[in-house]
Amino acid sequence: GIQVEQSPPDLILQEGANSTLRCNFSDSVNNLQWFHQNPWGQLINLFYIPSGTKQNGRLSATTVATERYSLLYISSSQTTDSGVYFCAVDLYNFNKFYFGSGTKLNVKP
Amino acid sequence: EPEVTQTPSHQVTQMGQEVILRCVPISNHLYFYWYRQILGQKVEFLVSFYNNEISEKSEIFDDQFSVERPDGSNFTLKIRSTKLEDSAMYFCASGVGLDYEQYFGPGTRLTVT
Repeated sequence: GIQVEQSPPDLILQEGANSTLRCNFSDSVNNLQWFHQNPWGQLINLFYIPSGTKQNGRLSATTVATERYSLLYISSSQTTDSGVYFCAVDLYNFNKFYFGSGTKLNVKP
Repeated sequence: EPEVTQTPSHQVTQMGQEVILRCVPISNHLYFYWYRQILGQKVEFLVSFYNNEISEKSEIFDDQFSVERPDGSNFTLKIRSTKLEDSAMYFCASGVGLDYEQYFGPGTRLTVT
């Protein structure tokens, strides 16, 4: 199956700092989503972004499908941003997500 | 905004017992999924369901698992004889179509003792 690699695996930030999370994938994808897993284990959908750039408040994401990577930008981080960030990809007509191993973010006050 | 709901939020069961995890997908969605996440690990695909039949399943989804859409709103995952290693968070998801965005529910934490 497709390989999905996320980096860095762990990230510690001071509140107010900016960060970039990366997701590399080994094959052409038809769908890519970024999720935030909160401390209660819920997966919060951040972006549906198979290509291009999207922004939502302090978060933005860019996917360059031809180069097989996606980036998630977090600006002016807050303690509530802490948790694990996952990217998940779906191959055309495969009808299932492959998840990366996640980036664990800890934002300190 | 419509959302996927799951019940119960936490289920504790004894090894060998049957459990049914319930999901209510978003009403106009046609594709339904179950995923699981063992504590500390990545989220893994279990099964996808469309037009009242399984469209794809993973190696994890063996004979002890089954899925059903018993009425027009619910989507269930049954584990016939639970094992300790079935302890995990189980997520239901739904989507309007193939390769479209998937919407995830809040999860059911299953603990097998």
